[in-house]
Amino acid sequence: DQQVKQNSPSLSVQEGRISILNCDYTNSMFDYFLWYKKYPAEGPTFLISISSIKDKNEDGRFTVFLNKSAKHLSLHIVPSQPGDSAVYFCAAPGGTSYGKLTFGQGTILTVHP
Amino acid sequence: NAGVMQNPRHLVRRRGQEARLRCSPVKGHSHVYWYRQLPEEGLKFMVYLQKENIIDESGMPKERFSAEFPKEGPSILRIQQVVRGDSAAYFCASSPQGSTEAFFGQGTRLTVV
Repeated sequence: DQQVKQNSPSLSVQEGRISILNCDYTNSMFDYFLWYKKYPAEGPTFLISISSIKDKNEDGRFTVFLNKSAKHLSLHIVPSQPGDSAVYFCAAPGGTSYGKLTFGQGTILTVHP
Repeated sequence: NAGVMQNPRHLVRRRGQEARLRCSPVKGHSHVYWYRQLPEEGLKFMVYLQKENIIDESGMPKERFSAEFPKEGPSILRIQQVVRGDSAAYFCASSPQGSTEAFFGQGTRLTVV
């Protein structure tokens, strides 16, 4: 039962262009969402989050959009940089703690110089 | 200000041996979470602990796996009688009371041969 889904295993973009990473969820009880970035052989690092009372949250080059009716969120990175190349996970907390996260499968982003 | 520290980073065990993974949370963090990432998959929640208490172990396999977070010392994830299917990256995360963000360690990569 995959409650958080990232249907694109990989995305390749040119440096300076926009990267759009998508995430769908099925559990309507989720009210908070996070994006994590992960480099090889390292742990995930927090990138940006959004509460279900908002439809947009922006932090520098990173913007997350939430469409509750569609149960869909997206992460926009603009302009993309080669250092953004990593695996991106969307996640939602639920149950006993905000630290109990349900992760998507991840999207490998490659930004070409 | 050290982050979440996990050791060892890499662990090789023969089938049937025990694996013991350690996690020292960020200083002052009272909540610890363990996750497992199988190859080509996202992170899956295993267990949530507070000092001397298991709060939620809904993601833990019923047999061979156990976790503890003693009053003193690191949290330990123990896998008894390891099998090849236990080969994965195991991540620990910690958070302070009431936080919406969990901080991850670099993970322990367990290989069962």
